[in-house]
Amino acid sequence: ETGVTQTPRHLVMGMTNKKSLKCEQHLGHNAMYWYKQSAKKPLELMFVYNFKEQTENNSVPSRFSPECPNSSHLFLHLHTLQPEDSALYLCASSQATSGDYNEQFFGPGTRLTVL
Amino acid sequence: AQSVTQPDIHITVSEGASLELRCNYSYGATPYLFWYVQSPGQGLQLLLKYFSGDTLVQGIKGFEAEFKRSQSSFNLRKPSVHWSDAAEYFCAVAAGSSASKIIFGSGTRLSIRP
Repeated sequence: ETGVTQTPRHLVMGMTNKKSLKCEQHLGHNAMYWYKQSAKKPLELMFVYNFKEQTENNSVPSRFSPECPNSSHLFLHLHTLQPEDSALYLCASSQATSGDYNEQFFGPGTRLTVL
Repeated sequence: AQSVTQPDIHITVSEGASLELRCNYSYGATPYLFWYVQSPGQGLQLLLKYFSGDTLVQGIKGFEAEFKRSQSSFNLRKPSVHWSDAAEYFCAVAAGSSASKIIFGSGTRLSIRP
């Protein structure tokens, strides 16, 4: 595998379900990100992890719970979601979280539908 | 607060024609600026970036962009588009020395007329 991978690519869940999105980067990076891309809205940063520590939480509801066990893996745990949470969830990684080293590489995304 | 405006939601150009996608940003200091492209069903791919130095930056796939501080703009250009350039294009700005928080524009969808 190369680059940034995300699984699953598509997910349909009910509002009472619990599911997790997985992201893995094979680039030796130290920072990882979750973004939400909704229809007709700009890409929204959700969380940032740098060396496994969360450095940014962009006022995300608690029904989204991130986990970063190491610099290569990032999870987004989902529970009691709402239909408006349906979106494309993108993961990204970068070498670091500042300056010239912040070029972010994106995965293909997980298309989430909440029924 | 930082912001990015892409005034064109959808642009259609003929194959072989030139292209310019507009981007205006709002940021007090010298920004870090990016252009990303997203093909259907794919994640975002970085086309080019500006951090400092030469205001005309070259990117991949024959794209270039010019940083104009006086106009707060960072427009993307390509002299001759190909059908494979049809995609969504996002301009983005990173705030400050901690450039982890990238603010994206709402995107411009590019269609190519055969």
